[in-house]
Amino acid sequence: SQTIHQWPATLVQPVGSPLSLECTVEGTSNPNLYWYRQAAGRGLQLLFYSVGIGQISSEVPQNLSASRPQDRQFILSSKKLLLSDSGFYLCAWSYYRTSGRANEQFFGPGTRLTVL
Amino acid sequence: GENVEQHPSTLSVQEGDSAVIKCTYSDSASNYFPWYKQELGKRPQLIIDIRSNVGEKKDQRIAVTLNKTAKHFSLHITETQPEDSAVYFCAASSPGGGADGLTFGKGTHLIIQP
Repeated sequence: SQTIHQWPATLVQPVGSPLSLECTVEGTSNPNLYWYRQAAGRGLQLLFYSVGIGQISSEVPQNLSASRPQDRQFILSSKKLLLSDSGFYLCAWSYYRTSGRANEQFFGPGTRLTVL
Repeated sequence: GENVEQHPSTLSVQEGDSAVIKCTYSDSASNYFPWYKQELGKRPQLIIDIRSNVGEKKDQRIAVTLNKTAKHFSLHITETQPEDSAVYFCAASSPGGGADGLTFGKGTHLIIQP
């Protein structure tokens, strides 16, 4: 069966510090990978998605970047955190889309980031 | 890009009654509409989804309806139970680029009153 891991689970960082969040998927190959951010309370915003190694698409301009160094590894980074980067960061995966059919997305447990 | 509106933001119903949450979307090319349930501090979990070639789908106490012409879809929960209390999100997926990033509504906090 497939599983998705994220770490760390929680993180408290000062403004201006760097960030690295990691997501890995097990039990499948060539997944689509996604990073979402959820602001306090509710609302999920798509930040990045990837259809393959080294292929990253950004949905919104921001202080963050993403990389996919391996097939089942997705990393979210920042060189200098802002207060507004606080939130719940969720990684998700789906099977690679075939025949024009979108696929169910499975979410990881999330990382709660607080920037002070 | 896609824009998804979700209503109401908060819904309180008596245990045993039905709950309905409604969403509209803007991109007529969107073809996949999942609903997620998120309990406090946890990850969103898919509860039901519908594709654009289907008008209705049921799974026990949960059903989703889709009106492509009007570009809206709804979640129906019957015989609500305390464990249905959570935040529910609708989403829409527009095809493109080989991936299907979801555009989410802002969520509905469903409260089941005992």
